[in-house]
Amino acid sequence: QQQVKQSPQSLIVQKGGISIINCAYENTAFDYFPWYQQFPGKGPALLIAIRPDVSEKKEGRFTISFNKSAKQFSLHIMDSQPGDSATYFCAASESGGSYIPTFGRGTSLIVHP
Amino acid sequence: DAGVIQSPRHEVTEMGQEVTLRCKPISGHNSLFWYRQTMMRGLELLIYFNNNVPIDDSGMPEDRFSAKMPNASFSTLKIQPSEPRDSAVYFCASSSYDLAEEETQYFGPGTRLLVL
Repeated sequence: QQQVKQSPQSLIVQKGGISIINCAYENTAFDYFPWYQQFPGKGPALLIAIRPDVSEKKEGRFTISFNKSAKQFSLHIMDSQPGDSATYFCAASESGGSYIPTFGRGTSLIVHP
Repeated sequence: DAGVIQSPRHEVTEMGQEVTLRCKPISGHNSLFWYRQTMMRGLELLIYFNNNVPIDDSGMPEDRFSAKMPNASFSTLKIQPSEPRDSAVYFCASSSYDLAEEETQYFGPGTRLLVL
């Protein structure tokens, strides 16, 4: 059972454009939603994370939007750069439960120069 | 800190051989995770340890897979006998639930395994 559904599977964006990756979850007990960025040949690394007490969190060009009622959250990359080309994973975990993250399947982002 | 260290970085072996993957977590972290990444299945959690104790190994695909954590600074994932379908990138990750960023997982660089 896939508890975190991520889309699209792949995304191609021109330099300067906006990249948007969406995730939906089922478990209403999830209360921590991180995004991980993975470059080829490397392990995933935390990019940005949000808790459900806020609807948006911004760090530089990266923004998470969170919709608790819809059980959806998304990553927006503004002014996308070729260096942003990577695989992005959303995840969700339950602080009061097992705290083990459930990962989405990943989105391969390519930003063309 | 050097981050999570994994060895070897690449492993090519023949079907039926034993494979041992190694991981050194970040010092002070008390949780360790083994993941497998493939194109078909994405990131799969195989097993995780808390304070060196295996907590959940329900993700271990078969009895051919085993994992140990003899101390806080070392863990192994063993596949015996290996099969071609075990070919994947295996990641080790560690975290600490005593810190403010408690749910952050720190991944190693991975071991790329190819079983011929």
